Amino acid sequence: ETGVTQSPTHLIKTRGQQVTLRCSSQSGHNTVSWYQQALGQGPQFIFQYYREEENGRGNFPPRFSGLQFPNYSSELNVNALELDDSALYLCASSSRQGAGGEKLFFGSGTQLSVL
Amino acid sequence: DQQVKQNSPSLSVQEGRISILNCDYTNSMFDYFLWYKKYPAEGPTFLISISSIKDKNEDGRFTVFLNKSAKHLSLHIVPSQPGDSAVYFCAAILYNNNDMRFGAGTRLTVKP
Repeated sequence: ETGVTQSPTHLIKTRGQQVTLRCSSQSGHNTVSWYQQALGQGPQFIFQYYREEENGRGNFPPRFSGLQFPNYSSELNVNALELDDSALYLCASSSRQGAGGEKLFFGSGTQLSVL
Repeated sequence: DQQVKQNSPSLSVQEGRISILNCDYTNSMFDYFLWYKKYPAEGPTFLISISSIKDKNEDGRFTVFLNKSAKHLSLHIVPSQPGDSAVYFCAAILYNNNDMRFGAGTRLTVKP
């Protein structure tokens, strides 16, 4: 059984640039959630994708957008990067939408630094 | 708006003793609570959960207690082992809602 994989593991961008982060969900999972974890804080929910459609969104501006593909892998896109976007971005997959938390399986994350 | 709070950034205990990690929440509509454990360079992994209709849930060395009137939950680890050293996150969710709220985490160090 393949776990959740994220790429890249580390990324450095400059303010104003755009970035795309990628996530492959665990085998058999059709739902992907994205979280932002700033230094010293807990993960914050960005949004969830279920069967290729956005299924809930946290308090993040529209420049944070995503996609889910037919194979249930997902991308997180961030436009017009700001310094405060520097964080660990975590992807989590589950086997159904709105799953209880124990059904979430997290990847190791992408560490994004915005200079 | 931090609805889930872990007020202790770190905790150090001796191997074999009890570790108690605490968590407070403000939203009375949360009805499901979880603890996740995170090792460096890894994603969080689920540890144990509790529904709001219960006040205790036990799984081996791990027990979670919920006090709804105080809006407080705690995780007890007995006996603590060096391999338990990690960051522990408390999380809360409206069941079948996809927005899980996390605390800031407590770094547990278990000394041999």
